[in-house]
Amino acid sequence: AQSVTQLDSQVPVFEEAPVELRCNYSSSVSVYLFWYVQYPNQGLQLLLKYLSGSTLVESINGFEAEFNKSQTSFHLRKPSVHISDTAEYFCAVSGDDYKLSFGAGTTVTVRA
Amino acid sequence: DAGVIQSPRHEVTEMGQEVTLRCKPISGHNSLFWYRQTMMRGLELLIYFNNNVPIDDSGMPEDRFSAKMPNASFSTLKIQPSEPRDSAVYFCASRARGWGETQYFGPGTRLLVL
Repeated sequence: AQSVTQLDSQVPVFEEAPVELRCNYSSSVSVYLFWYVQYPNQGLQLLLKYLSGSTLVESINGFEAEFNKSQTSFHLRKPSVHISDTAEYFCAVSGDDYKLSFGAGTTVTVRA
Repeated sequence: DAGVIQSPRHEVTEMGQEVTLRCKPISGHNSLFWYRQTMMRGLELLIYFNNNVPIDDSGMPEDRFSAKMPNASFSTLKIQPSEPRDSAVYFCASRARGWGETQYFGPGTRLLVL
């Protein structure tokens, strides 16, 4: 079984500053890794995912995450955040059964 | 595409009443998932279906919860009788067949049991 730990529950950050959200997972088998974003009163939307190949994956809105197998991590970064990035971010892992196990979430609050 | 559709979006009911949540997955998707989100427990997978067949219902909290998928375009999650501790946001998600495919989430049903 897989499990996910998101090390920060709340991350306040100023607009245009960088942000990093940490995610560690535990699994004894090959994994697929995901970051989802949830805006207030909405469902979850996929931000980016790692399946195989290049360990650095990027989203269309400037986020990137790097899969580090030796450290079992999949941290999410953005070099310059906007007010509109205020949301809750979930890291998730799945194996070949396609079930997703989610972390507890990290709330990012961007301030002007 | 309309995305995953859930109804109702909000439901307020009294303890002991039956509650039925509905989900229409994205057309062509063959897997469907029901999740529950609470502050205390985060996101929990309740049950998932593959080709309309329940594959894993180990997350269903107790016998008061039941889920069905009579066809590829419709699923229900029923709680009978409901209790205040069932108050949560319930999400439905669907996924296409294939390696690495993404789960797409609906907007959720916010349930409050008084």
